[in-house]
Amino acid sequence: SQQGEEDPQALSIQEGENATMNCSYKTSINNLQWYRQNSGRGLVHLILIRSNEREKHSGRLRVTLDTSKKSSSLLITASRAADTASYFCATDEDRGSTLGRLYFGRGTQLTVWP
Amino acid sequence: ETGVTQSPTHLIKTRGQQVTLRCSSQSGHNTVSWYQQALGQGPQFIFQYYREEENGRGNFPPRFSGLQFPNYSSELNVNALELDDSALYLCASSLVLVPGELFFGEGSRLTVL
Repeated sequence: SQQGEEDPQALSIQEGENATMNCSYKTSINNLQWYRQNSGRGLVHLILIRSNEREKHSGRLRVTLDTSKKSSSLLITASRAADTASYFCATDEDRGSTLGRLYFGRGTQLTVWP
Repeated sequence: ETGVTQSPTHLIKTRGQQVTLRCSSQSGHNTVSWYQQALGQGPQFIFQYYREEENGRGNFPPRFSGLQFPNYSSELNVNALELDDSALYLCASSLVLVPGELFFGEGSRLTVL
C-alpha cells in the first residue's frame, strides 16, 4: 500500500515561479524524504527531514514537516525548465517494520515552461 | 550519478517466461532493496537484502525472489511472468540498515507480452 500521497498530481508553472508540492501520510514516521525522477529513469534523493525537525533547506529547496497533521511540503523556488520531473515523497514507518523500507506516493508531475 | 548500476536497461519477455535483473551497489553499501514501479505509480517495495540475507519483503508473491552476493551485488528473479509484471524495476543501495537516503540505479524496464 502507498503510505504517502502527493498533491497536486500535476503542476504546470513558468520559469522563475515557485512550485509547492504537498504530501500526506498515514502512520508515525522516523523521517520523510523527497525524491525526484526524470521521465522513466532512476530516483534521485533530494532531501531528508527527520520527525523531530520542522523545516529544512537545501539550495532552492525548502521542506516542511508537520507530524501532527501528518503532512509535508516541498517548495522549489525560482524554478527552471530543468526542474521538470516527477517528485515523490517517501516515508518509513515507526513501527518496527523493515528498516530501510520506504513507502512512496504516486508523485507530483512538475512541468516548468521556459 | 549514484554509483548504482542495473542491467539490462530494457527487456521484453512473454508471459510464463522467467527473468533475472542485476544490480551493482554503490561501493561500500551493504544493503540493497528492490522496488517495482508501474506506469504512473510510485515505487513499491519488493524486498531488501542485508549481508546476503533477505531482511524484509513487501506484498509480492514467492515467484519474486532475490539474491545478494558477497560483493553486495544483487539479483532479482521473477518466474512465471504475468502481464502485470510489466514495470520499471529499481534497485537501491544504502550504507546501513537504518532508514535513510537510498541510492537508486536507473532501472530495468521490463515489458511482458
